[in-house]
Amino acid sequence: DTGVSQDPRHKITKRGQNVTFRCDPISEHNRLYWYRQTLGQGPEFLTYFQNEAQLEKSRLLSDRFSAERPKGSFSTLEIQRTEQGDSAMYLCASSLASTGREQFFGPGTRLTVL
Amino acid sequence: KQEVTQIPAALSVPEGENLVLNCSFTDSAIYNLQWFRQDPGKGLTSLLLIQSSQREQTSGRLNASLDKSSGRSTLYIAASQPGDSATYLCAVGQGAQKLVFGQGTRLTINP
Repeated sequence: DTGVSQDPRHKITKRGQNVTFRCDPISEHNRLYWYRQTLGQGPEFLTYFQNEAQLEKSRLLSDRFSAERPKGSFSTLEIQRTEQGDSAMYLCASSLASTGREQFFGPGTRLTVL
Repeated sequence: KQEVTQIPAALSVPEGENLVLNCSFTDSAIYNLQWFRQDPGKGLTSLLLIQSSQREQTSGRLNASLDKSSGRSTLYIAASQPGDSATYLCAVGQGAQKLVFGQGTRLTINP
């Protein structure tokens, strides 16, 4: 049983560039979540999918952010025109409704915007 | 708006001690509560999940309690070991959509 995987693990980019992150959830999990964590803080919710439908987006998710989950499998999070304030750890989690919605997290993608 | 607070922010204890980490939340309408461990620069490892109808859960040396009416949860770690050093995060589940996290307690166990 493989866990949640994320790619890349680290990304360094220049301000203004676009970046895309990928998350592969645990295979049978139908719910997928994205969170952002800055240094010394707890993770903050960004968005949530049930199967391929994006059901909620946080106000933290500005127009520069977009997330997709085609076919209800893996998900991508794209940030356009990156800003230094986007530097953070981006965490993906998945869950299955029948197991009490326990969320399992991936290792995260550390983004540094120069 | 749900707010989750963890006290203390940091804790340092000698090896072998039993310890308690505290978590409080402002809105008792929660679906569940999870405790996580996070090592520096890493993702989150789920330790314990307590459903809103439960009072406690145990796994090995860990015991978590939940009192919804008072908006509190505690994580009890017995016989602490240096390998327990990490940041411990409490998160409350709001429906199916999301977890709301505290800022964490950074725990150091001294050999």
